Amino acid sequence: AQSVTQPDIHITVSEGASLELRCNYSYGATPYLFWYVQSPGQGLQLLLKYFSGDTLVQGIKGFEAEFKRSQSSFNLRKPSVHWSDAAEYFCAVGARAGNMLTFGGGTRLMVKP
Amino acid sequence: DAGVIQSPRHEVTEMGQEVTLRCKPISGHNSLFWYRQTMMRGLELLIYFNNNVPIDDSGMPEDRFSAKMPNASFSTLKIQPSEPRDSAVYFCASRPTEPTDTQYFGPGTRLTVL
Repeated sequence: AQSVTQPDIHITVSEGASLELRCNYSYGATPYLFWYVQSPGQGLQLLLKYFSGDTLVQGIKGFEAEFKRSQSSFNLRKPSVHWSDAAEYFCAVGARAGNMLTFGGGTRLMVKP
Repeated sequence: DAGVIQSPRHEVTEMGQEVTLRCKPISGHNSLFWYRQTMMRGLELLIYFNNNVPIDDSGMPEDRFSAKMPNASFSTLKIQPSEPRDSAVYFCASRPTEPTDTQYFGPGTRLTVL
């Protein structure tokens, strides 16, 4: 069975600082990997996804993520955080042949002025 | 495009009552997913449909939960009878065609069962 772990429940960074959110997955084959963001009271919005090819994936809002097969990780990064990035971030894994996504527990990001 | 539409946005009901949540997927999408989000269990997939047919309902917690998709533009998730532990935010998502495609989420329905 596939699973996703986001080790950090809460992270606080200063505006303008760099950000890295961790995601580790468990899956027997090469997975589909996703990062979603959820603002308060809103649904989930896709930031980026990885299926194959270049292991560094660029997304919206200046985010990027790197797939590292040897570490079973798909960490999300942003070089300079803006106050509007405060939200909850979810990593998800999907099976190549299937349809279902399994989500991590989420990381709540707070941004200090 | 209006995106995935869910109604109602908020529902407060009493234990034992029937609750029906509604979802209109994005036009042209042929897969639809129902998720539940709680503080304790995070985001869980309840059921998904391909071309209006339920494919996997293993995430449906109990027989009190049922979901239907009578046509490509409408789905319901029903809880009967409702219990306080069903209180959660319920999300509907739709996807165009392939597993590689993105799932687009609706704004969610916040359900409170008293």
